[in-house]
Amino acid sequence: DGGITQSPKYLFRKEGQNVTLSCEQNLNHDAMYWYRQDPGQGLRLIYYSQIVNDFQKGDIAEGYSVSREKKESFPLTVTSAQKNPTAFYLCASSIVLNQPQHFGDGTRLSIL
Amino acid sequence: AQSVTQPDIHITVSEGASLELRCNYSYGATPYLFWYVQSPGQGLQLLLKYFSGDTLVQGIKGFEAEFKRSQSSFNLRKPSVHWSDAAEYFCAVVSGNTPLVFGKGTRLSVIA
Repeated sequence: DGGITQSPKYLFRKEGQNVTLSCEQNLNHDAMYWYRQDPGQGLRLIYYSQIVNDFQKGDIAEGYSVSREKKESFPLTVTSAQKNPTAFYLCASSIVLNQPQHFGDGTRLSIL
Repeated sequence: AQSVTQPDIHITVSEGASLELRCNYSYGATPYLFWYVQSPGQGLQLLLKYFSGDTLVQGIKGFEAEFKRSQSSFNLRKPSVHWSDAAEYFCAVVSGNTPLVFGKGTRLSVIA
């Protein structure tokens, strides 16, 4: 079945470390997204990409970086510059920007 | 600026009772409208969408939503709630070639 795979499900990071969250889709979608979810905050857009080798900052991009070298993959790096990285991270994809998004099951990142 | 408001943070209903979750938006043109559901620790699942045409939209799991242009609303309804409907519900809106904008969500609790 087609879908979005996020890995790992749970991730722990030490202070000062960078960590990369994986997101892979086999839906042949052009657009991909990363969201951060905190209790009571809804979904906040970190980065999105409309096409390979192109991406744009969302509302809370500071302390994060992304790459889009392949259509299927959109990894997110949480850098040491992100002061409060503990959160639930969701990856999504859609055919194009204004179409329904399909979501992965998320990665929960915690600081040790 | 474009915005989506879900006025109710938390709603509790009895099993078998009817449900209405509110969503209001602020956009210049008629947007595309969506409702998603999220179970704890999971990604979001699309319940239904409105692009144009009939303003009453049927979705999965027995949900429906009605687009009311005059009220800038897209409320989600279900005639009889089941305990398995307990989850968080997100309204999302998009206008033009931009990513979806999500509301902050409404948490639904179902009591016996």
